[in-house]
Amino acid sequence: QVQLQESGPGLVKPSGTLSLNCSVSGVPIVATTWWSWVRQTPGKGLEWLGDIYHTGLTNYNASLRSRITMSTDVSKNQFSLELTSVTAADTAVYYCARGLWDSDTSTYFRYAFQFWGHGTEVAVSS
Amino acid sequence: QSALTQPASVSGSPGQSITISCSGDSSDSSVSWYQQHPGKAPQLIIYKVTNRPSGVSHRFSGSKSGTTASLTISGLQAEDEAHYFCSSYTVRTVIFGGGTKVTV
Repeated sequence: QVQLQESGPGLVKPSGTLSLNCSVSGVPIVATTWWSWVRQTPGKGLEWLGDIYHTGLTNYNASLRSRITMSTDVSKNQFSLELTSVTAADTAVYYCARGLWDSDTSTYFRYAFQFWGHGTEVAVSS
Repeated sequence: QSALTQPASVSGSPGQSITISCSGDSSDSSVSWYQQHPGKAPQLIIYKVTNRPSGVSHRFSGSKSGTTASLTISGLQAEDEAHYFCSSYTVRTVIFGGGTKVTV
């Protein structure tokens, strides 16, 4: 069974950098295609931040493209998120997620997020 | 960025059926639905408009007409009380609806 677990600081200062890791267990990250980050705020709801392939290929939400970087560490079986120049608007619960593999059709649904981490709360405050 | 519009709340009695709409840029077949209980991560309950992942109750069903997708919950149960979100892939990004609070 695929399991995801986010980790990182729960508090980041304004203008600082938010850094989170997502540890994957149950499957090597190289065995599946894309891995995503999603955040949730009371005001804006769910927001997809972007995703990354194990080779490092990325696809970011255009609204964050100037501030976001995702990376993978195959040796640790994890992937990471960095968000720079954070403001209070970046305060949210951050989730890592993976799409669904439909074994009946041998199709990977990249944006049907079947597996989620528990989420980690990040507050941006001085 | 395109938006998906959901009703803020829907309510029903145990045993009834309810339908949640999701209107907007969901013109292709990439619509998914998620259930979220307080303090928990979202759970995928419908993908590709009508498909249920393994383990999801048959009481959940999805459909789409034009640019409006719908989630129907049949035989409403107390455990169905939660928030429900639709999502769609469009213009190289994933967008989510604002969420619907279902009260049983």
